[in-house]
Amino acid sequence: ETGVTQTPRHLVMGMTNKKSLKCEQHLGHNAMYWYKQSAKKPLELMFVYSLEERVENNSVPSRFSPECPNSSHLFLHLHTLQPEDSALYLCASSQVKGWVGIDTQYFGPGTRLTVL
Amino acid sequence: AQTVTQSQPEMSVQEAETVTLSCTYDTSESDYYLFWYKQPPSRQMILVIRQEAYKQQNATENRFSVNFQKAAKSFSLKISDSQLGDAAMYFCAYRRSGGGSEKLVFGKGTKLTVNP
Repeated sequence: ETGVTQTPRHLVMGMTNKKSLKCEQHLGHNAMYWYKQSAKKPLELMFVYSLEERVENNSVPSRFSPECPNSSHLFLHLHTLQPEDSALYLCASSQVKGWVGIDTQYFGPGTRLTVL
Repeated sequence: AQTVTQSQPEMSVQEAETVTLSCTYDTSESDYYLFWYKQPPSRQMILVIRQEAYKQQNATENRFSVNFQKAAKSFSLKISDSQLGDAAMYFCAYRRSGGGSEKLVFGKGTKLTVNP
């Protein structure tokens, strides 16, 4: 148990559905991340929120929409997804300390998404 | 751009034996951090060990140790006295220095099997 939870753990959706993934961290961190893990590919960073502000968007299609209402919660809103979006979506959090220290990222268990 | 390469897609080891997982990386930075993460079948990404590039001493965590060769840009993980619970995917990751929410760059992973 790393202090980062994700719900749901499994999700199956059609291409026309709208769903949301939720991530919650109980570590008092101030930065949160969404990663995508596809088969046989390295983990890909999608979004970064630091102090509730989006600081990085790695050219992710607009059908993925993140939301960070506070430093403990992160959502990934999904709409009109494609079958190639099927993957494991991992949330992580870390403590940003300015320009010193290591902000080790701690991961949640992931949401296994299948798009039919 | 930084890249991380894990040249061994799969490795196996006998229980109680020692195994070394390889990782090389490419960067023009002089200060950075390196990580090994473990991902068991539960899919949870768990931090195993981390290394600051400015430290010459190799990091150790119980049965896990690294061989960090900065000039060669090599960062291998040694697992001693392997246990059945060590079976997992192992990912090497790089993050450049400076604080903030710098992204982790991951390798493709090595699947470790532990034989009883």
